[in-house]
Amino acid sequence: DIQMTQSPSSLSASVGDRVTITCRASQGISDYLAWFQQKPGKVPKLLLYAASSLQSGVPSRFSGSGSGTDFTLTISSLQPEDVATYYCQKYIYAPLTFGGGTKVEIK
Amino acid sequence: EVQLVESGGGLVQPGRSLRLSCAASGFTFDDYAMHWVRQAPGKGLEWVSGINWNSARKDYADSVKGRFTISRDNAKNSLFLQMNILRAEDTALYYCAKSREFGLTGPIDHWGQGILVTVSS
Repeated sequence: DIQMTQSPSSLSASVGDRVTITCRASQGISDYLAWFQQKPGKVPKLLLYAASSLQSGVPSRFSGSGSGTDFTLTISSLQPEDVATYYCQKYIYAPLTFGGGTKVEIK
Repeated sequence: EVQLVESGGGLVQPGRSLRLSCAASGFTFDDYAMHWVRQAPGKGLEWVSGINWNSARKDYADSVKGRFTISRDNAKNSLFLQMNILRAEDTALYYCAKSREFGLTGPIDHWGQGILVTVSS
């Protein structure tokens, strides 16, 4: 099975900072990658799919890139409401594995 | 508005069974694949199982294969997860989730609120 590895596992940044989260697949998955945001105590929310397509209603400060095995989620200007855990997920075929998550906090 | 409402969770002893249900509304249910995803307390997300639009294709995580069965009733806009031989490590919040696609190679775009399953003696 393909493993999904996220880094870092946590980060602390200031409001307005550019934040980058990395997700690496153990084998190529083309662009069959989604990013989710889960705020504390809340349901996960789809941010991006097909590696770089922004889900409707998601702020444009979120962006994604990558193909094959290496992917990034970027928050161009971190806002207080972005405090959350972020997960990548591959969906090219089962199992639809999630990464371990990246917890983002405000410094 | 897409709504996914899970039911059927609760406290169950190890080795016993439980059946989760998910009532879907706000979209054409039989146009989309559906999934179950779980989250153990304080842990990350774990995909459990998925079913395509017409039930022709079903997939499972290795951790539940042979114990869990996913099914759907398109006439009743409902998704199910039959969980047998439950273990303590199955304790989690179980989410019903909708795919963007009719097949299993599509991203999840909506989630239910989740239902808690606790396996303990």
